[in-house]
Amino acid sequence: DTGVSQNPRHKITKRGQNVTFRCDPISEHNRLYWYRQTLGQGPEFLTYFQNEAQLEKSRLLSDRFSAERPKGSFSTLEIQRTEQGDSAMYLCASSSTGSGEQFFGPGTRLTVL
Amino acid sequence: EDQVTQSPEALRLQEGESSSLNCSYTVSGLRGLFWYRQDPGKGPEFLFTLYSAGEEKEKERLKATLTKKESFLHITAPKPEDSATYLCAVFKGAQKLVFGQGTRLTINP
Repeated sequence: DTGVSQNPRHKITKRGQNVTFRCDPISEHNRLYWYRQTLGQGPEFLTYFQNEAQLEKSRLLSDRFSAERPKGSFSTLEIQRTEQGDSAMYLCASSSTGSGEQFFGPGTRLTVL
Repeated sequence: EDQVTQSPEALRLQEGESSSLNCSYTVSGLRGLFWYRQDPGKGPEFLFTLYSAGEEKEKERLKATLTKKESFLHITAPKPEDSATYLCAVFKGAQKLVFGQGTRLTINP
């Protein structure tokens, strides 16, 4: 399968715990995006990498959120001190330079109890 | 502020009953408009990119069109397997997509 993959697919955690999600983009894509989607809404942009450089962050990305893309390959999104409002689907997408078309992974469903 | 609004929020059709979904936008510097399909619990699946007013794209029973203010996704003679949420998103070249809230389409057999 050469699509975008995300792990884990589901995560249940208690309020105050830290969680980390992983995204593996399509291998030839140098751009990687994180979005968050709540029930009944479209995805909302969180952050974007070109290779290993994080080039844009949304105001939605509070200081409890951090994303990395070491070596310009896979990416991780960490949420520290989770809150119930962080419960959502976290989506990763990738694209190639010059193409606006973004291809999404299956998402990680986070539930904060 | 950039806005993307989709209507209706939900649409229920009988199998074979054609209809259209609307995506209206107020965006400066639009570089492209995308349509995605999303099944429950899954990530969005790319359908079409439209770059300029007057452009049309087709795929099976779906046809997407674009004007300067809105896009339509026409579905012809739909089947139950076309049931999904359809999302439109605008691209300004700043790399992020701005999505509408989606239209939840149900096709009854």
